[in-house]
Amino acid sequence: DTAVSQTPKYLVTQMGNDKSIKCEQNLGHDTMYWYKQDSKKFLKIMFSYNNKELIINETVPNRFSPKSPDKAHLNLHINSLELGDSAVYFCASSQDSFRRGLHLIFGSGTRLTVV
Amino acid sequence: GQQVMQIPQYQHVQEGEDFTTYCNSSTTLSNIQWYKQRPGGHPVFLIQLVKSGEVKKQKRLTFQFGEAKKNSSLHITATQTTDVGTYFCAGQGYSTLTFGKGTMLLVSP
Repeated sequence: DTAVSQTPKYLVTQMGNDKSIKCEQNLGHDTMYWYKQDSKKFLKIMFSYNNKELIINETVPNRFSPKSPDKAHLNLHINSLELGDSAVYFCASSQDSFRRGLHLIFGSGTRLTVV
Repeated sequence: GQQVMQIPQYQHVQEGEDFTTYCNSSTTLSNIQWYKQRPGGHPVFLIQLVKSGEVKKQKRLTFQFGEAKKNSSLHITATQTTDVGTYFCAGQGYSTLTFGKGTMLLVSP
């Protein structure tokens, strides 16, 4: 019954590997997001999709590629993982885009550790 | 670009004491949102303020939005150990939602 679910919860991997994080929401929301939270707890937006269309693409290394097969799913693929990619990645959704001033529902996060 | 500053970064109080965190934006906001993140958890939406000078209460929590719509505060009266966590403000600009760096609240029994 989880509104925004992401998998896996924990991911430990070696430098140079490629990994994916999956996110699904069952709220019927139109917009989904990926946020990165670093060790200092700072929440930084990475990407946003509205109805499968990319609407926010912040300055993020192009090793990070989001994919939205439908409006209920937003996955994050990371190539050639680096130590600095270690963080907690949160998926979130909202009923509409930021322009409508709607709040976010966050998933429980994926703690990525690159060794 | 839009910047949202939040202070203090960290506060440790005794149970029963009051707590306040402040949020300031470099630009006028259309609304401000507050989220709470428990240790090991994810941010959870608490409230949204839209009108200039708006004040909203949720039990022991009082949220204010400044007259100029550039600052906001969250005040907790008589903290409890369940209030522990990091409180984030998030300022809504034209097309972006910018999070402050959060205030971590520790409450000792």
